Amino acid sequence: AQRVTQPEKLLSVFKGAPVELKCNYSYSGSPELFWYVQYSRQRLQLLLRHISRESIKGFTADLNKGETSFHLKKPFAQEEDSAMYYCALYQNSGNTPLVFGKGTRLSVIA
Amino acid sequence: DAGITQSPRYKITETGRQVTLMCHQTWSHSYMFWYRQDLGHGLRLIYYSAAADITDKGEVPDGYVVSRSKTENFPLTLESATRSQTSVYFCASSVRTGGREQFFGPGTRLTVL
Repeated sequence: AQRVTQPEKLLSVFKGAPVELKCNYSYSGSPELFWYVQYSRQRLQLLLRHISRESIKGFTADLNKGETSFHLKKPFAQEEDSAMYYCALYQNSGNTPLVFGKGTRLSVIA
Repeated sequence: DAGITQSPRYKITETGRQVTLMCHQTWSHSYMFWYRQDLGHGLRLIYYSAAADITDKGEVPDGYVVSRSKTENFPLTLESATRSQTSVYFCASSVRTGGREQFFGPGTRLTVL
């Protein structure tokens, strides 16, 4: 079955420190992966997608097919990065188009 | 993103009652989704719809009913609410890309006593 694993429920880092939110997936086809973010009292929103190879708010994520990973990284964490982050895998079959991981709460400490 | 709204935002009900959560989007997106968000489970898909009059079960459909008579509306009904259905419910919509990039509503916090 397709699966997305985010091993950390909570990640706390100090302001200015590097951040890496881990995401591993299992998928038999060619994966399409996304990161979604939910800031406090805001709605869930798309942060970035691996196809675009973009950097949003200083975050990047590289798809590593060999390690089946799509970790989200930022070199210097800011307090406003504190949020819930969900990794998601698109699948074109099965009973859910987007399979979400259970999420990682990032807390950036001043 | 005022384009997708949910009502009510908060609801308290009792076990056994029927509850309907409303979702409305103004973008004419083909796809619409209902998720529940629970601690330790993340987001789980309840039902989704690829177009008006087309609905499909997601990961956790039991105890829920949906309909989609109009493209812009996708109500979710709990026919006989149970305490295990206490959760935050999110509606989302997506354009023709099959649900890859979804736009979420603000959520409805439902408490079943």
